[in-house]
Amino acid sequence: ETGVTQTPRHLVMGMTNKKSLKCEQHLGHNAMYWYKQSAKKPLELMFVYSLEERVENNSVPSRFSPECPNSSHLFLHLHTLQPEDSALYLCASSQDPRGHEKLFFGSGTQLSVL
Amino acid sequence: AQTVTQSQPEMSVQEAETVTLSCTYDTSESDYYLFWYKQPPSRQMILVIRQEAYKQQNATENRFSVNFQKAAKSFSLKISDSQLGDAAMYFCAYRSSEGQEKLTFGTGTRLTIIP
Repeated sequence: ETGVTQTPRHLVMGMTNKKSLKCEQHLGHNAMYWYKQSAKKPLELMFVYSLEERVENNSVPSRFSPECPNSSHLFLHLHTLQPEDSALYLCASSQDPRGHEKLFFGSGTQLSVL
Repeated sequence: AQTVTQSQPEMSVQEAETVTLSCTYDTSESDYYLFWYKQPPSRQMILVIRQEAYKQQNATENRFSVNFQKAAKSFSLKISDSQLGDAAMYFCAYRSSEGQEKLTFGTGTRLTIIP
């Protein structure tokens, strides 16, 4: 257990649904991340939050909307997704985004868009 | 832009034997960090080992060691005395030292341990 918890573990949704992914870290870290992991592709960084401010948005479509209400919680709100958005969504945290410290990952949410 | 290449989609090794996973990268920077992450079936990525480019000495963590060849831009992972619990996807990753948060990952190598 790395101290980063993601829910739900699995999610199936239709293209017209609205759902949210949740991530919580119990490590006292200041930075949180969303990554997308698709089969046979490198992990793609989606968003970075440092001290609750978004510091990077990697050209992610607006149908993905992140929210970081405090340094321990990170959400990814989903709406009108496409089948190609089906993937494993991983949350991670680190002590400092500029400190090159190691990332602690959650177990991910396996998302299927029908 | 930096790229990371893992040319072995799958590898297998007999239990207790040694296996080497390869990784090459492309960068114009002289200072950076390299990582190997392990993703077991639980899906939780775990840092295995970390190397700082300005250090010539290869990093070692128990049964895991790296062969860092800076000129060749190569960063291979050696797992000695392989154990069943080593079965996982292994990802090589690169990170700039210039304040960028972004880790650039390879596509991964799936390692199977044969009992």
